Amino acid sequence: GQNIDQPTEMTATEGAIVQINCTYQTSGFNGLFWYQQHAGEAPTFLSYNVLDGLEEKGRFSSFLSRSKGYSYLLLKELQMKDSASYLCAVKDSNYQLIWGAGTKLIIKP
Amino acid sequence: ETGVTQTPRHLVMGMTNKKSLKCEQHLGHNAMYWYKQSAKKPLELMFVYNFKEQTENNSVPSRFSPECPNSSHLFLHLHTLQPEDSALYLCASSQEGTESYEQYFGPGTRLTVT
Repeated sequence: GQNIDQPTEMTATEGAIVQINCTYQTSGFNGLFWYQQHAGEAPTFLSYNVLDGLEEKGRFSSFLSRSKGYSYLLLKELQMKDSASYLCAVKDSNYQLIWGAGTKLIIKP
Repeated sequence: ETGVTQTPRHLVMGMTNKKSLKCEQHLGHNAMYWYKQSAKKPLELMFVYNFKEQTENNSVPSRFSPECPNSSHLFLHLHTLQPEDSALYLCASSQEGTESYEQYFGPGTRLTVT
């Protein structure tokens, strides 16, 4: 079966750095996405990786290793507004998105 | 504001009622999706419409019936629902054929079945 694993919840301190991991087992691979979802709101697109390596976008970076079936989202200089759920999703061989259950990130002052 | 709107935002319905959820996208996309989001579970893809044709129906019970009259509008018709259908229903759209074709989500309809 297809599976996306990510931690259920993480806690970090304002101003610090946090890394949210995602491992996947899917039938084929056509890209990996990270989305942010604040409570009661729509998921919003953060990043897309299809080749191995690091993609940087301001305070957020996303890394992919296809051989290891592994990705992480790195958030730097954490702000209180970064408290949200972070969803990892992989597009499989049929170009269908397979979603993880999300990681709830709690930022403390 | 993502360019995808959904109405209503909240809905409470009895098991014998019939209601419809509406989604509209203002992005010129060619694909639209219905997802179900339950607490602490992955997003569940329910239906996909690509160029107005339904291309996915992931074993969704017949009490959920989608309708896509044009590429900008998507409906989800509900009838004789069960309490376990209570969830957040999210609509999304994307432009298929581009490299990443990320999905843009609406704010969702919080559905409670009593």
